[in-house]
Amino acid sequence: DGGITQSPKYLFRKEGQNVTLSCEQNLNHDAMYWYRQDPGQGLRLIYYSQIVNDFQKGDIAEGYSVSREKKESFPLTVTSAQKNPTAFYLCASSIVGGPSYNEQFFGPGTRLTVL
Amino acid sequence: GENVEQHPSTLSVQEGDSAVIKCTYSDSASNYFPWYKQELGKRPQLIIDIRSNVGEKKDQRIAVTLNKTAKHFSLHITETQPEDSAVYFCAAPGRGSQGNLIFGKGTKLSVKP
Repeated sequence: DGGITQSPKYLFRKEGQNVTLSCEQNLNHDAMYWYRQDPGQGLRLIYYSQIVNDFQKGDIAEGYSVSREKKESFPLTVTSAQKNPTAFYLCASSIVGGPSYNEQFFGPGTRLTVL
Repeated sequence: GENVEQHPSTLSVQEGDSAVIKCTYSDSASNYFPWYKQELGKRPQLIIDIRSNVGEKKDQRIAVTLNKTAKHFSLHITETQPEDSAVYFCAAPGRGSQGNLIFGKGTKLSVKP
């Protein structure tokens, strides 16, 4: 299960604190994505990045921020402005080019709990 | 923007029976429809996908069919086995740049031995 990793596996945060989730890939993929998974809600896109130093808001970007300074890394910060941050967070990556859409490879996820 | 509806939310079948999960989408321009399987406690993994230039694609016991006119696509699993038990997600292209997907809410499939 190498290729795309996330850390930590479990994360606990006090209300009012920012927290950063790590996502790293060694697949040489240009595109990276962050999803939030809640029971019965499927996967909802938070942010995505097609290339270094560029990223776009997804459907539920409010209260989150990202950076893409390196091709291999796409960290997600959950800020205190996120009203309900307790969830399972999944990072994914894919190649860009060729067919319009390509397989997304997912990391193992980080479960964030706000105390 | 795109909207993806997935049904049913839960599905229980006997081992050896077939299972069918259906998704509908709203954007007639959508041209890529993947299916992901997520076993309990594990990451989602692509099991099959279909592009809009074909109506059906098969891979052993798994098949996907696409009806562009009706804007729906379905996952078919034949001869189900207990290891098929998982949550299955369909997806369709999302808004904005190429590559991002809109996922359905998932179907929890239980295969009873």
